[in-house]
Amino acid sequence: EIVLTQSPGTLSLSPGERATLSCRASQSVRSSYLAWYQQKPGQAPRLLIYGASSRATGIPDRFSGSGSGTDFTLTISRLEPEDFAVYYCQQYGSSPLTFGGGTKVEIK
Amino acid sequence: QVQMVQSGAEVKKPGASVKVSCKASGYTFTSYGISWVRQAPGQGLEWMGWISAYNGNTNYAHKLQGRVTMTTDTSTTTAYMELRSLRSDDTAVYYCARGLSSAWPDYFDYWGQGTLVTVSS
Repeated sequence: EIVLTQSPGTLSLSPGERATLSCRASQSVRSSYLAWYQQKPGQAPRLLIYGASSRATGIPDRFSGSGSGTDFTLTISRLEPEDFAVYYCQQYGSSPLTFGGGTKVEIK
Repeated sequence: QVQMVQSGAEVKKPGASVKVSCKASGYTFTSYGISWVRQAPGQGLEWMGWISAYNGNTNYAHKLQGRVTMTTDTSTTTAYMELRSLRSDDTAVYYCARGLSSAWPDYFDYWGQGTLVTVSS
């Protein structure tokens, strides 16, 4: 099973700042089959990025994903008020599918 | 538009079973797969397993093997997840989510609204 470790656990930033979230895998993720989701309280997760770097439909271009192998990054170029949420990475290159523990982006 | 509408909240006693439904609409049901993901209170996301809506093939998380069954009804475009021998640590919000492939578990582009299952004596 591939274990995904997200860091930091919490990121305290102000609107307009840049957010950099990390997701590290215990072994290489096949074909960069890595996705990122955003979850707000009381809501289902929302797909942001798939294939490590492809934005999902309707996702603003301030969200970008990068990385390969075992190291992946989600970057939010300039935080908007609606971006404060919890972010999860997920690998789908091998079974069982696994999620990281999440990074909470909170308002500083 | 794509919608995944789940059944309502459930309260069950330890040892009982629960069956959650997920009604899909707005797309060709049999061209995709459906995964089930759960989230315990205040915790992260846990993948439970996947079913192909095309041929019914399943792939379950090891820790749930023997307790979980996922099925689909193509006539009503509904997916079901049954979890048996419930324990208190099964208390969670259960989500269905559409996967892009009908052949293999994939990432999830649409999610249901979630169903809270509470296991308590």
